[in-house]
Amino acid sequence: AQTVTQSQPEMSVQEAETVTLSCTYDTSESNYYLFWYKQPPSRQMILVIRQEAYKQQNATENRFSVNFQKAAKSFSLKISDSQLGDTAMYFCAFGQGDDKIIFGKGTRLHILP
Amino acid sequence: EPEVTQTPSHQVTQMGQEVILRCVPISNHLYFYWYRQILGQKVEFLVSFYNNEISEKSEIFDDQFSVERPDGSNFTLKIRSTKLEDSAMYFCASFRTSHIDEQFFGPGTRLTVL
Repeated sequence: AQTVTQSQPEMSVQEAETVTLSCTYDTSESNYYLFWYKQPPSRQMILVIRQEAYKQQNATENRFSVNFQKAAKSFSLKISDSQLGDTAMYFCAFGQGDDKIIFGKGTRLHILP
Repeated sequence: EPEVTQTPSHQVTQMGQEVILRCVPISNHLYFYWYRQILGQKVEFLVSFYNNEISEKSEIFDDQFSVERPDGSNFTLKIRSTKLEDSAMYFCASFRTSHIDEQFFGPGTRLTVL
């Protein structure tokens, strides 16, 4: 069974700094997708970035980028020039085909003014 | 941009009562899901639905839960006799094809069981 592990329950950084959130996962499959979701206080789930396992190039979306290490089964999220609006819970997640998405326990990120 | 909608945004009910949570997936999507998030915990899969039947369900999804797509647009989750531990955020999600592109999540329904 697939598992997703986020080892940092909570992090705080100053505004404008760069922060990296860690995620590891376990699977025996070779083709899958990885996601980072943001959950602000409103509790809505917002897709931040996604990575296809067969693509070697790391995904980027504006200030958000990932470091995908397939052999190590690692999928970290880097937020550059962090903003107060980035304060939220961040979930790493694994998906495959039409199967359910499996979420990690989340990292609560505080951006300090 | 198309989006998944959910109603109500917040539902308060007494223990033992039946509740129906409603979702309108994106119109050309074929796969539908319900997830649950108890406050402070991770998001957990409940059930997936394709071609008018359940394709997978978790151990959480016991006989008290049911899903249906009554009219080709709505996708509902029914809890027959709510328990205190059913208090959670319930998310509906949908996507289009059998190759996972992006599961679009609705804004969630907060269920409070008193």
